[in-house]
Amino acid sequence: GAVVSQHPSRVICKSGTSVKIECRSLDFQATTMFWYRQFPKQSLMLMATSNEGSKATYEQGVEKDKFLINHASLTLSTLTVTSAHPEDSSFYICSARNQGPYNNNEQFFGPGTRLTVL
Amino acid sequence: AQSVTQLGSHVSVSEGALVLLRCNYSSSVPPYLFWYVQYPNQGLQLLLKYTSAATLVKGINGFEAEFKKSETSFHLTKPSAHMSDAAEYFCAVRTYAGGTSYGKLTFGQGTILTVHP
Repeated sequence: GAVVSQHPSRVICKSGTSVKIECRSLDFQATTMFWYRQFPKQSLMLMATSNEGSKATYEQGVEKDKFLINHASLTLSTLTVTSAHPEDSSFYICSARNQGPYNNNEQFFGPGTRLTVL
Repeated sequence: AQSVTQLGSHVSVSEGALVLLRCNYSSSVPPYLFWYVQYPNQGLQLLLKYTSAATLVKGINGFEAEFKKSETSFHLTKPSAHMSDAAEYFCAVRTYAGGTSYGKLTFGQGTILTVHP
């Protein structure tokens, strides 16, 4: 099956520092990946759509300069939270779309990254 | 615009009892509908999906859901709950946006299922 990994699974950082989260599609190529944010006891909110080789498309209200997204290859997208603050603490989940002939563009989700900003 | 409403943020059932998690959607075009399960501190796992084929969709772990256009519903059911079913369940809708754009997933608020002995 299609597997998506995220690294790290948990990260604790000090306020003002930057944190990079990696999302990898392990056994398929993904031209499109998605980054979601999930607050405790809430649903997933789409932050941005990451397209390989081009700029990400951000959802309304998401600061592109704060949440930098890079999709440099067909198997890797990164989300960098710049100058993190406590309010950025959340669970970040990535998803990769499998556009292979037998997968009907299904999205596969990573296990998530728990970010805690002190 | 598309949206999903899950009725009931918490559902509690006894082991062996019927599980019913409710989902209603709103979409201006024929939707694709999904149910995902999320265990604590993990990502989402696809349970089942409706993509305009059969209206009764069978998924993993004994779950199934029925697409009812007249009721704009896609409720998730399982005849007999197991302790391992305890998790949070999300209903989601995606609409085809045309061309090579396959639209975005919009998630419901989630329903936490508790299974007690």
